[in-house]
Amino acid sequence: SAVISQKPSRDICQRGTSLTIQCQVDSQVTMMFWYRQQPGQSLTLIATANQGSEATYESGFVIDKFPISRPNLTFSTLTVSNMSPEDSSIYLCSVEDLPRNEKLFFGSGTQLSVL
Amino acid sequence: KQEVTQIPAALSVPEGENLVLNCSFTDSAIYNLQWFRQDPGKGLTSLLLIQSSQREQTSGRLNASLDKSSGRSTLYIAASQPGDSATYLCAVANQAGTALIFGKGTTLSVSS
Repeated sequence: SAVISQKPSRDICQRGTSLTIQCQVDSQVTMMFWYRQQPGQSLTLIATANQGSEATYESGFVIDKFPISRPNLTFSTLTVSNMSPEDSSIYLCSVEDLPRNEKLFFGSGTQLSVL
Repeated sequence: KQEVTQIPAALSVPEGENLVLNCSFTDSAIYNLQWFRQDPGKGLTSLLLIQSSQREQTSGRLNASLDKSSGRSTLYIAASQPGDSATYLCAVANQAGTALIFGKGTTLSVSS
């Protein structure tokens, strides 16, 4: 099973600033997913990041607000830009297990609070 | 649009009880369904995955069933323990290689 390291685990940020979240996987994976979990809500997919191509964003999420990098098959970053208190959430990265048993593995999440 | 609902939202039981968590989804044309456990500060752990062609999966004290035609899944936990206290999430994939659609979860508390 994949082991995912996600950093930072938590952060408190000021309104208007940006935070970059890192996700490192111990094996090469094709697809990486970024989710957001707002307080009391279910996980919502932000975007799918494949190496070598632009990330695909879900409805309601845009690249200017949540730019994603995927420089190789083991690493991705998600930036939360120009933050507001409404961005306070848990952000999680996820990868699909290999070989194709299709279980998803998740990082431990980043708890973000915006003041 | 696929929607996933979990009931109850919260459940408290004494240690040793058997319990059932429920999950329903609006579009029965799913590819697979997964049950996860979420612990604070530890992300999500995949518990069981059921393919659309399967009816149930078992792992230890956990048993998950799937009735695709009625859009329902249940997670059965036998002989509950305080260590089972966590939030349990149900999620479906509509197609292979697509991201999951999650329910809001059931928060379970098992008292000793």
